[in-house]
Amino acid sequence: AQKITQTQPGMFVQEKEAVTLDCTYDTSDPSYGLFWYKQPSSGEMIFLIYQGSYDQQNATEGRYSLNFQKARKSANLVISASQLGDSAMYFCAMREAVNRDDKIIFGKGTRLHILP
Amino acid sequence: DAGVTQSPTHLIKTRGQHVTLRCSPISGHKSVSWYQQVLGQGPQFIFQYYEKEERGRGNFPDRFSARQFPNYSSELNVNALLLGDSALYLCASSAQMRRPLNTEAFFGQGTRLTVV
Repeated sequence: AQKITQTQPGMFVQEKEAVTLDCTYDTSDPSYGLFWYKQPSSGEMIFLIYQGSYDQQNATEGRYSLNFQKARKSANLVISASQLGDSAMYFCAMREAVNRDDKIIFGKGTRLHILP
Repeated sequence: DAGVTQSPTHLIKTRGQHVTLRCSPISGHKSVSWYQQVLGQGPQFIFQYYEKEERGRGNFPDRFSARQFPNYSSELNVNALLLGDSALYLCASSAQMRRPLNTEAFFGQGTRLTVV
């Protein structure tokens, strides 16, 4: 079973509009962390935002916010006022406390295109 | 400060050959993880090394091996290459292992391996 599901393979958004990238996850571990990464064409994964399973408030980092709905196992990324430089692949990811290692489990990603 | 550096950036190999990929973590980081990212997919965890010991292994065949050196740099070795090993191989370093869950993993730009 997929641990991280991203149902939007690609999205086209007009510059300056807000965009929501969907992510659902599956875990039985009560303690886990959720991440969003941006991957430009150069290849490196750039950390955007983190949400812990016990965090009471939704995480925010500048133009990025995470809409965390724990009961629904949903962790959508919201980018406000999109910019041309936001065009990239976006990955939702999870780390589970039960694991002995630091393994990060990634979804398949969403390719975001910002239109001028 | 230098980030995570990987070498080579691109590599073309023939089926059946062996390949060695190298990673230098951020100075002071003792944890190195390796991921394989096949085209159109999210990264998949291969190995984690911490303080020169293997701390985690993903679901990859024994053709894949790795090691970490006293200076915390790491090598990923793949024997008997198959066409399906063609992928972007990403290295990530972290300052510490596992705790807290939001410990950030810093990724390199990866090595693009093509097997022909």
